[in-house]
This record gives sequence, structure tokens and C-alpha cells, in this order.
Amino acid sequence: EPEVTQTPSHQVTQMGQEVILRCVPISNHLYFYWYRQILGQKVEFLVSFYNNEISEKSEIFDDQFSVERPDGSNFTLKIRSTKLEDSAMYFCASLGRTSYEQYFGPGTRLTVT
Amino acid sequence: GIQVEQSPPDLILQEGANSTLRCNFSDSVNNLQWFHQNPWGQLINLFYIPSGTKQNGRLSATTVATERYSLLYISSSQTTDSGVYFCAVELTSGTYKYIFGTGTRLKVLA
Repeated sequence: EPEVTQTPSHQVTQMGQEVILRCVPISNHLYFYWYRQILGQKVEFLVSFYNNEISEKSEIFDDQFSVERPDGSNFTLKIRSTKLEDSAMYFCASLGRTSYEQYFGPGTRLTVT
Repeated sequence: GIQVEQSPPDLILQEGANSTLRCNFSDSVNNLQWFHQNPWGQLINLFYIPSGTKQNGRLSATTVATERYSLLYISSSQTTDSGVYFCAVELTSGTYKYIFGTGTRLKVLA
């Protein structure tokens, strides 16, 4: 069964550093998402991406965040200058054209020290 | 904005017991999914269930969209069922983004 993959599984970075989280969505899917979950809290929507542009973003997704689909397979989330409060689990998800079911990746745990 | 409330917030069961988890949402939704977050933090998709009833082994789910709730049933619970259960709903925004519920933390004791 096809699945969404994410790398790395765990990233530790220092405050102020840039990080790039990578996702490979399911190959024929059209919509791509990033969500985040601060430890012990619920999962929050960050951004959706369709047709090579952002469709919608939450208020969390400020100028420090950007997304890109640099080629036909990868989908990335960049945080330009990480803050302590960016420490969270980041999930990528994708959605196909025949079903409205979202498929989630295993997540990247980001720790900012 | 839409509110997605889950109950109970915490649940402790003895292995073999049955349980019902509830998800209430305050507005009309297009889609709904149930997820199990395992102890490693991974979100496992359980059901895509915008309406009706589905069953998968010991788990089943029912969504009554007109009354704005969904139920997840776990029968004959096992220790591996432990974790957090989330429902997520999609509004009619056209981008299919999900709003997640508050979660139910389940612990199954051997």
C-alpha cells in the first residue's frame, strides 16, 4: 500500500538555525499539507498546497515558514530561524483525486535547543 | 470557528473491555477521519467516515453528520490499543484541511 514518508524522523537544532523537513507524498496525490503537534496537545493545521502554490495557511504559518515542491516527488517545510516554541512533531499529509481521505506520514520530531 | 470536542478526555480500561469514544463538532462538515496516535507519536488512520457506519476488525465507527457527532467503538480492547484517539473534520473551505479534535487518551491495562 502506498504511504507518505518523512525525513528525518528526529531533528535537533539550535535556536536561530534553519531547518528543512522533507516529505514524499503518495505519487498521484494532488493536495499536500503540513500539520504540527506540540507535545501533549492536539494536531494543528499549518498549510495546504495545491497546484504548486499555497491554498490556505493558518496564523501559525508566519514569514518564518515556507513550503516548496522542488520536484515531482518531494514536499518540504522550511523554518528559517527556529525558536524554542517551534519544538513539535510535524506531520505531512497528502490527498488524492479519487478520495477525500488524507494520508499522514509518520512525522518528524523537531527539537529546538 | 468550528469546535471539535472529544469525550471522554481520558479512559482507563481493563484488557477485554469495550469502549465508546465520541466526537462532537459544532458545524457541518464534509469529511471526517479517526486516527490512533501510538506511543511513538505516529498517526495511524483508522477510518475515513463522513457518514454511515464502518467496521474493521474490533473497531467500528459511526458518523451521524446531521446530528454533528461521530462514535468510535473499540471491542475486546488490547494493550496495543493504548494511545490517543483523534477525530478530524474537514470544513467546506475547499482546501480539505482538517481540524483535529481534543483527543481521547486511552490506557488499556493487562
